[in-house]
Amino acid sequence: EPEVTQTPSHQVTQMGQEVILRCVPISNHLYFYWYRQILGQKVEFLVSFYNNEISEKSEIFDDQFSVERPDGSNFTLKIRSTKLEDSAMYFCASSDRQGDTGELFFGEGSRLTVL
Amino acid sequence: AQSVTQLGSHVSVSEGALVLLRCNYSSSVPPYLFWYVQYPNQGLQLLLKYTTGATLVKGINGFEAEFKKSETSFHLTKPSAHMSDAAEYFCAVRPYNTDKLIFGTGTRLQVFP
Repeated sequence: EPEVTQTPSHQVTQMGQEVILRCVPISNHLYFYWYRQILGQKVEFLVSFYNNEISEKSEIFDDQFSVERPDGSNFTLKIRSTKLEDSAMYFCASSDRQGDTGELFFGEGSRLTVL
Repeated sequence: AQSVTQLGSHVSVSEGALVLLRCNYSSSVPPYLFWYVQYPNQGLQLLLKYTTGATLVKGINGFEAEFKKSETSFHLTKPSAHMSDAAEYFCAVRPYNTDKLIFGTGTRLQVFP
């Protein structure tokens, strides 16, 4: 069964360092998303991406964050200068179409710990 | 802004007992509604969704949920809990004209033998 895969599963970094989280969406999907979940809190929307551009982003997704689809298969989330409060589980998701029947398929998450 | 409230961060039931996980949303216009399940060390998996039509929605693993507009609720039920149902359950809404899901805080379901 097709699935969304994410790497790394866990990354520990020092504050101020750059981090790139990688995702391989399901191959025929065109819509891509990043969500995050700070420990003990809600899963929060970060950004959606379609046709090589951001279609929607939340207030959390500030200038420190960027997304890219560099090679047609990977979808990456970059945090330029990590802060302690960036520690969270980051989930990638993909969908084959927008709209109410466009189910989101989530990856298993990448846990980021910022020290 | 729209929000989702899940009453009870932890719910414990005995195997074979009824499962009821509560979800209420705040919206003047009914959004699309979803329940996701997360098993340990796995991603979020869609259990069921309500978009339009019949208000009682059946999902995978014997779960179902009923959309009640008057109560702004979308509670998740299963008549008889199984040990394998132990997981975290998230209610989510997708407002019209947006591509994002708004999640509740989740409810951890424990099933005792």
